[in-house]
Amino acid sequence: DGGITQSPKYLFRKEGQNVTLSCEQNLNHDAMYWYRQDPGQGLRLIYYSQIVNDFQKGDIAEGYSVSREKKESFPLTVTSAQKNPTAFYLCASSEQGQETQYFGPGTRLLVL
Amino acid sequence: GENVEQHPSTLSVQEGDSAVIKCTYSDSASNYFPWYKQELGKRPQLIIDIRSNVGEKKDQRIAVTLNKTAKHFSLHITETQPEDSAVYFCAASINQGGKLIFGQGTELSVKP
Repeated sequence: DGGITQSPKYLFRKEGQNVTLSCEQNLNHDAMYWYRQDPGQGLRLIYYSQIVNDFQKGDIAEGYSVSREKKESFPLTVTSAQKNPTAFYLCASSEQGQETQYFGPGTRLLVL
Repeated sequence: GENVEQHPSTLSVQEGDSAVIKCTYSDSASNYFPWYKQELGKRPQLIIDIRSNVGEKKDQRIAVTLNKTAKHFSLHITETQPEDSAVYFCAASINQGGKLIFGQGTELSVKP
């Protein structure tokens, strides 16, 4: 999991602003995932991608968007449509055909 | 869809005692069950996993058991140590796109 990086560590969003969270991996993993974690709760899947130029909605995709133009990168945009964005965002990746997911260090998003 | 319930939400034990965390899942097609440990503000780390063709798996002080008939699986930690204190998450996967459904988490506190 040391091969997955997320930036920034902390991110502040103003009202009506879109912000983008970075996720990069050098593990040559095909699949990448974005999760949202709220205090005292489990991880909820936002979006996932099994291959470059393809991605699927998870359970809570509304107000978020992603792109997968490169195998090693899977950025997440939190749009102004997401009314309650304050949370800890975790990116993960896995090898093709393998269920085991490895997580990045996370980005904590706060609203000003 | 798949749902994973985890109990208890908090667990406090004395150092040296055993700790057991239980999860139930709803979809009988689930075939992969990982456990993650998350320390405060850190990324979840995989500690052990089990597949549906196995009933039990051990790794030093950690073991996981699976009962497919009852659709539940448990994490057992023996000889607990203060450094075991963390939040533990169970998850289940149907091996379709590698989607993991997480339980709500158990905050384990090991008192010296």
